[in-house]
Parts: sequence; C-alpha cells; structure tokens
Amino acid sequence: DAKTTQPTSMDCAEGRAANLPCNHSTISGNEYVYWYRQIHSQGPQYIIHGLKNNETNEMASLIITEDRKSSTLILPHATLRDTAVYYCIVRPLGNAGKSTFGDGTTLTVKP
Amino acid sequence: DAGVIQSPRHEVTEMGQEVTLRCKPISGHDYLFWYRQTMMRGLELLIYFNNNVPIDDSGMPEDRFSAKMPNASFSTLKIQPSEPRDSAVYFCASCSSLAVYNEQFFGPGTRLTVL
Repeated sequence: DAKTTQPTSMDCAEGRAANLPCNHSTISGNEYVYWYRQIHSQGPQYIIHGLKNNETNEMASLIITEDRKSSTLILPHATLRDTAVYYCIVRPLGNAGKSTFGDGTTLTVKP
Repeated sequence: DAGVIQSPRHEVTEMGQEVTLRCKPISGHDYLFWYRQTMMRGLELLIYFNNNVPIDDSGMPEDRFSAKMPNASFSTLKIQPSEPRDSAVYFCASCSSLAVYNEQFFGPGTRLTVL
C-alpha cells in the first residue's frame, strides 16, 4: 500500500469548513483514497473514498488532485462533534485486506 | 444491525495471566481484522481473516499472541502469558468483499490493562 503523509494537527472554528490535506505521491493507478476518523475512545469510522473524481456524501467531500498525488477531505460546516483523528489511507478497491493507518491528523473544532 | 461486537470492553489482569478477547463480526462479512492501538505505535494491524482463514499474521508481535476464527460469527485473540507492554486498546473490524466500497466497520474496542 502507498504511504500517506498528513499534518499532525489542525484547528477549525465551529461552523467553518475544515480542510484536511493528505499527500500520497506514490499512489498506484488501481489504489483508492479512503478516509476514516476516530473519535476519542471509539473505533475508527469510515467517511468517504474516491479514485480520481471528486466525491461527496452526507458526511464530507473528497477532492483528489488531477495527478492523484494528494487529496483534501472537506467537512463543510464543522461542529464540535467532528473533533477527532482523521486517517487517510490508500489501497486497491478490490483488496479488502490490509489498510495501513498512519498517524492521522488530529482535528480540533473550537467554539 | 448491532455492528461489530467486542467483549469484554475493559480487562484488567496481572502479568503472566492468559487473556482472551472476543469479537463477533457483522453478519455476512467475510473479512475480520484485529488491530492494536497504543499512544506510541498508533493503530497497528495484527492479523486478518478471510472466510475464517488467517491471511496475514505478520503484525502479530510474538508467539504469545494467537488468533482464531472457528466460524464466520466469532473470533478470539489470545495473549498467553500477558505482559505490561501488551496494555492497549484492541479493535476488531469486519468488512464484506461483496460491498462496493470494502469499508471496514470497527467495534468499540477492548481496553486491556496488564499490571
């Protein structure tokens, strides 16, 4: 699996958009970008994934650069409950096996 | 669906004792994963199963750790003998190879403290 690089921590004001970057410069053509988050003391939770097109669901939006070497997870209106560690992972869609979780980004949403 | 179920939620034991952690995956899921999370090492994959068969156990730290999946609805992670450095939160996760996204669903975790 390709390695990812994320900032250690970020702050965001409540109600504002939170933009979490991820670098995956060694991503392969068949690898998807997945995002999970882990709220304190809970198990990680799937948020969204994408291959090369921008994706949106009820939780977030995912913007992937044209060269696929980086992506940004966007929480459009962050709330205090979005405070969590956010993990960016890359792996092939058909490979339900190994997902390597890095250190992630600790997002703190402040009032 | 009840989601992934893990038991116990908390376990405190003394060094040298045997510890058994249990997991019930989501019904119909054919993949099961065991992870360990510590402050120092983050979230580590220990082992995963596909159709009850262990596929990759390269993350299992040493012979004191063993995992089994006797059927599609139950898995155990055993530590014998336990050591203080095994203290961590252990997560079980499952997913379906038939699901389009293959996203993993995590259980609430078992917080293990070895004294």
